[in-house]
Amino acid sequence: EAQVTQNPRYLITVTGKKLTVTCSQNMNHEYMSWYRQDPGLGLRQIYYSMNVEVTDKGDVPEGYKVSRKEKRNFPLILESPSPNQTSLYFCASRWGKSSYEQYFGPGTRLTVT
Amino acid sequence: AQSVTQLGSHVSVSEGALVLLRCNYSSSVPPYLFWYVQYPNQGLQLLLKYTSAATLVKGINGFEAEFKKSETSFHLTKPSAHMSDAAEYFCAVSAAYSGAGSYQLTFGKGTKLSVIP
Repeated sequence: EAQVTQNPRYLITVTGKKLTVTCSQNMNHEYMSWYRQDPGLGLRQIYYSMNVEVTDKGDVPEGYKVSRKEKRNFPLILESPSPNQTSLYFCASRWGKSSYEQYFGPGTRLTVT
Repeated sequence: AQSVTQLGSHVSVSEGALVLLRCNYSSSVPPYLFWYVQYPNQGLQLLLKYTSAATLVKGINGFEAEFKKSETSFHLTKPSAHMSDAAEYFCAVSAAYSGAGSYQLTFGKGTKLSVIP
């Protein structure tokens, strides 16, 4: 089954404790991205990647890091999480620049206390 | 640069009534437009998309949207609401040209649809 998976689905952590949210897609998509969803703000793009080893900042990159060492994986790293990073995070992928349909993962609800 | 404005953060309709969710966009180049739906505790699912073919686009679950360039709008409609339509709906815009900017999908803030029995 074609899908985007994220782990963990739920995470409660404390300020400053480094964490990684994994994202994996099995559709051989070139393009992957991370969004955060906050009430009243919709989805805002954090980072995106056009291919392996090619990443760029989205609209709200501060406090986040990403890497794209393999085509299928695009982990989101919070080196020193803060309470304002409490949010619902979505990973998404699509085939490439000629394809505009994005496939979203199920989301990761992160709480930073 | 591109942006999306969704009018109304909450919309309530009676079961069987017309659903109309409004979306206006701003884009410096020809746009591609999308509607996504998010059911409670789930990810986003594509409802329909406009990619410069027919201006009236039909999607899943009986939804459709019409691209009106003169009004810079892409409103979502469904003739008869069903209880299962209760969800949050997001309009999104992307640039319709190849280039770095075309990778950006900009979302509106969302409209939560409630269906009253």
